[in-house]
Amino acid sequence: ETGVTQTPRHLVMGMTNKKSLKCEQHLGHNAMYWYKQSAKKPLELMFVYNFKEQTENNSVPSRFSPECPNSSHLFLHLHTLQPEDSALYLCASSQVREKNSPLHFGNGTRLTVT
Amino acid sequence: GNSVTQMEGPVTLSEEAFLTINCTYTATGYPSLFWYVQYPGEGLQLLLKATKADDKGSNKGFEATYRKETTSFHLEKGSVQVSDSAVYFCALVFNAGNMLTFGGGTRLMVKP
Repeated sequence: ETGVTQTPRHLVMGMTNKKSLKCEQHLGHNAMYWYKQSAKKPLELMFVYNFKEQTENNSVPSRFSPECPNSSHLFLHLHTLQPEDSALYLCASSQVREKNSPLHFGNGTRLTVT
Repeated sequence: GNSVTQMEGPVTLSEEAFLTINCTYTATGYPSLFWYVQYPGEGLQLLLKATKADDKGSNKGFEATYRKETTSFHLEKGSVQVSDSAVYFCALVFNAGNMLTFGGGTRLMVKP
C-alpha cells in the first residue's frame, strides 16, 4: 500500500458537475497539501493544512473547496469548473516541524473538464 | 522572494551517457535543497537532498552538491539508463517551514 493514496485516478466532468477528489495518507504525517500540475506550467501549490487547519490558500478560485476532516484525509470539492482547470491534481503530506521533512506525493488524479 | 530555475528540457540522451541537469536558486538565507523525480503516470518522489553548504546528496547513482557560492544544486549521473526517463524537479525549503518552492521541471528521455 502506497503512503499517499488518491482516488479517483482519472475523472472527466462537465462544467456544471460537482465532484470530489480524495486523498488519504498512511504515514502518520500532520500536514497535507493540494498541488495542481498543468502541462508546460510550474507545479502550483493550492492549499496547505497543518494539524487539520488550513494555513495556505494560494489565491485559488472558490470553485475549488478543500476539506480536511482529520490529519489522514484530505478532499478537494469541485463545482462549476472551467476547461482550463483540466490538470493533474497531486496530494502530498509531510511531518511539519520536523527538520527537512520531505513531501510524500500520491499518484494524482487526472482531471478533464469538458 | 525565493525561486528555483532549472534548465529547460527535454534532455535526450543515449543509454550510458553522462547526465547533468542544472539547477540554480535565489533565496534569502540558506535553504535545504531537494531533487524530486516524477515517473510517467506517477506523483513526485524524493530522489535526494542536501541541507547545508558543500553537502552532497546521492541516491540510485544520482548526485548533487549544494554550492553556496554559485547558489546551485546540479543533478548528475555517470551512466543513465532507459528507466531513468522521467521529469526531474529541483526544490528548496527553509528549515522552519514546510513550503517548498519548485523549479519548472526538466524532462529526461533516455534512448536505448
